[in-house]
Amino acid sequence: AQKVTQAQTEISVVEKEDVTLDCVYETRDTTYYLFWYKQPPSGELVFLIRRNSFDEQNEISGRYSWNFQKSTSSFNFTITASQVVDSAVYFCAPLGVTFGTGTRLQVTL
Amino acid sequence: NAGVMQNPRHLVRRRGQEARLRCSPMKGHSHVYWYRQLPEEGLKFMVYLQKENIIDESGMPKERFSAEFPKEGPSILRIQQVVRGDSAAYFCASSPGQGRVSLHFGNGTRLTVT
Repeated sequence: AQKVTQAQTEISVVEKEDVTLDCVYETRDTTYYLFWYKQPPSGELVFLIRRNSFDEQNEISGRYSWNFQKSTSSFNFTITASQVVDSAVYFCAPLGVTFGTGTRLQVTL
Repeated sequence: NAGVMQNPRHLVRRRGQEARLRCSPMKGHSHVYWYRQLPEEGLKFMVYLQKENIIDESGMPKERFSAEFPKEGPSILRIQQVVRGDSAAYFCASSPGQGRVSLHFGNGTRLTVT
């Protein structure tokens, strides 16, 4: 069975703060892909990143960075210098199809 | 627009009626996934289909819900005799292969049962 845990239900930060969203998963697969998606207030789902399980290098894309640690089955997402437009629900889908319950990020001025 | 197309965007049904939600996958994609998102909740997997086959329906309620992905035409999620608890956003996603590539999502159908 596959299981995804996003323990943080809601996070509120002030603009320009850094924020990390946690994601922990369970799987018996030895190779797999890991994903993050964003759902802004408008409701659509936006793909952010895909990583494969044998590549543990951290990835940085602008203000976004991802820390994958296979040993702890975690795939955490950090937004640096957050902006109001980052306010959204962020879903971790470490196994491609099974989604976490999401973390609602609220960035205020 | 070659993205995943879902229609209608909004659907209102009275209790007891049937709801039919349609999803046309991206061109070249033969795998379709349906998810349900209840208000203020996360995405719940419902069913995974390939053309003419249901691969995994472990997340589908046992009664009143059915899904199909015919050889020709869109995938259909059908909810019979809707109840108020069926009110939710239903998202469809497609991929060219099973789970190893990113899912491309449609904009969802928001079902309201009155």
